Amino acid sequence: EMQLVESGGGLSQPGGSLRLSCAASGFAFSSHWMHWVRQAPGKGLEWVSRIRSDESVTTYADSVKGRFTISRDNAKNILYLQMNSLRAEDTGVYYCARVSRYNGGWTFDYWGQGVLVTVSS
Amino acid sequence: DIQMTQSPSSLSASVGDRVTITCRASQSISGYVNWYQQKSGKAPELLIYAASSLQSGVPSRFNGSGSGTDFTLTISSLQPEDFATYYCQESYSTPITFGQGTRLEIK
Repeated sequence: EMQLVESGGGLSQPGGSLRLSCAASGFAFSSHWMHWVRQAPGKGLEWVSRIRSDESVTTYADSVKGRFTISRDNAKNILYLQMNSLRAEDTGVYYCARVSRYNGGWTFDYWGQGVLVTVSS
Repeated sequence: DIQMTQSPSSLSASVGDRVTITCRASQSISGYVNWYQQKSGKAPELLIYAASSLQSGVPSRFNGSGSGTDFTLTISSLQPEDFATYYCQESYSTPITFGQGTRLEIK
C-alpha cells in the first residue's frame, strides 16, 4: 500500500527553524518528483517547493525562497523540508505530495496526511 | 505567474443536484489542469487530471472539461459524500498555482 507520512511539525517561535520529513513507502520513491504544499488555517492550498527525482532540480515559491530548503534521501525514501527564519504566515498544515506523469503533463496523485506547523511567540 | 480564478467560492446544493464549478486561467494552459476534492481535516484527493481524465476509483458522476483558459468540473448527481471543498490546479508552469477553492455545502 502506498503511503506518505509527514512528521516534524510543531510550535516554533518567529525566526526559529523546523525540519519536516515525509516517509514514503509502497512505491518507487526515487522515480518520482515530490512537492510540498501548505494550507494556512481556513485558507486554500499554496504550493511551496518541488524536487526532481534525482535531486538535480529544486524550485521554490517566492514566499519561502531563501528560507526553506527541500531535499530527499532516495536510499531512505524520505523527503525533507528544512524551514528556517520562520514567520507567522508560515503557520499551517504542510502536505507532501507525489507527482505522477501522463502524456505531456503531471498531477499530484497521492498526498500525505499533513503535519501542522505553528509559528507563534 | 499564472492565476487560477475559481468560481463560485461557495455553493449550496441538494443531494441529486447537478453542479458545475468553473476555473479560469490567466493565460492559455492547454489542458494542464487537475481537480482535487478536500474534505474537512483531510488531505486533498485527486479527482480529474489533464482537464478531463477521471482518476482511477473516482465515481463517474465527476466530469472535467475545458482547454486553453476555461475549465469546468461537473458533478452530475450530488451524493452526500460529495459535500467538500474543490480546487483546480494548473500544471503548466512554476510557480504552481491553485484556485481559491469552492466550498460545496448542503442546502
